[in-house]
Amino acid sequence: NAGVTQTPKFQVLKTGQSMTLQCAQDMNHEYMSWYRQDPGMGLRLIHYSVGAGITDQGEVPNGYNVSRSTTEDFPLRLLSAAPSQTSVYFCASSYSSGDRLAGGPRFTDTQYFGPGTRLTVL
Amino acid sequence: SQQGEEDPQALSIQEGENATMNCSYKTSINNLQWYRQNSGRGLVHLILIRSNEREKHSGRLRVTLDTSKKSSSLLITASRAADTASYFCAKYNAGKSTFGDGTTLTVKP
Repeated sequence: NAGVTQTPKFQVLKTGQSMTLQCAQDMNHEYMSWYRQDPGMGLRLIHYSVGAGITDQGEVPNGYNVSRSTTEDFPLRLLSAAPSQTSVYFCASSYSSGDRLAGGPRFTDTQYFGPGTRLTVL
Repeated sequence: SQQGEEDPQALSIQEGENATMNCSYKTSINNLQWYRQNSGRGLVHLILIRSNEREKHSGRLRVTLDTSKKSSSLLITASRAADTASYFCAKYNAGKSTFGDGTTLTVKP
């Protein structure tokens, strides 16, 4: 399993540009979420999803859109990039209590994080 | 606003010493997680402790939980230079985590 993958690893945008950060997981997790981490701070929740077709806002949703058309993918769209969105973005996934695995343990309390995307907005 | 607060914000010790980091939270938890983050890198999951547990161990790591005080602590024994990193606690529930701002640990060789 590749786990949680994110692309790109680095991105530089100009103010006003739009872009999509990609996140994919191959663990058949129902839950997926996006966080941003600013220097010297912990992660803050932007948006999350409890399953395909279902998304909701987190703590800092303004300026970002998400959609979840498949279980595997959860892209984050920046509509009109601003310097305040310069940050490191992490995607995460986790099991829900309703997930089924073909054998093996179920860890319903642990989030699996991607390696992050470092975004700079000039 | 962040639900968790780590204390201290920064900690500097000599190799071989023990390091203790504390985490306080405001509302009830199902579980609390501790993560390590090396500079410029992603998160590494260290330990999960559930609300009905009081203590968990993993190698040189020991986590305690006091739900009456809404606090948890992470102890790293016999620290090494490689333990230099930021450490975060996080509440997790139904796909969402709420992080504190972390403790930056520096272990001097």
